[in-house]
Amino acid sequence: AQSVTQLGSHVSVSEGALVLLRCNYSSSVPPYLFWYVQYPNQGLQLLLKYTSAATLVKGINGFEAEFKKSETSFHLTKPSAHMSDAAEYFCAVSDPGSARQLTFGSGTQLTVLP
Amino acid sequence: DAGITQSPRYKITETGRQVTLMCHQTWSHSYMFWYRQDLGHGLRLIYYSAAADITDKGEVPDGYVVSRSKTENFPLTLESATRSQTSVYFCASSQGAGDIDTQYFGPGTRLTVL
Repeated sequence: AQSVTQLGSHVSVSEGALVLLRCNYSSSVPPYLFWYVQYPNQGLQLLLKYTSAATLVKGINGFEAEFKKSETSFHLTKPSAHMSDAAEYFCAVSDPGSARQLTFGSGTQLTVLP
Repeated sequence: DAGITQSPRYKITETGRQVTLMCHQTWSHSYMFWYRQDLGHGLRLIYYSAAADITDKGEVPDGYVVSRSKTENFPLTLESATRSQTSVYFCASSQGAGDIDTQYFGPGTRLTVL
């Protein structure tokens, strides 16, 4: 079964600092990969997704993620954190042919300090 | 454009009672999903549906029933609620146009079982 590991349930960065949220997956076949963001009391919103067209994926709000097959990783980064980035971030994977079932990581709560 | 809505947004019930959570989408998306979100677990798939009258189990289906008589609606029923079903429930839908189409999430229903 597919699994996703997000290292660090809580990450704190200063405003303007680099944001790095880690995601590793387990799969013998490269899966489809997603990052979602959840603001308080809201549903999940897609940040970006890996479609196999390019290993570096750019998303909304200045976020990007790099697919590294050798490391089975799909870490999310943003060069400069903004206060509005404070939220919970979820990495998710879907195996090709799995009827679009997503398996989510346990999430990382991002705090941005002034 | 209403998108995807869930009702009620908050529900308190007692152990043993039947509860139905509603999900409605206005996009005519083929796929619909139900997830539950618990602290430390991320989101876990309960049931999904590929089209009207087609449903299938996800990771944690026990204690839940779904139906999909119309494309736009996907109700989730807890036939006899238990305290372990206290959670936040999210409905999602996707177009079904390709293997990697995006899932769009509703705002969630916070359910408390006393």
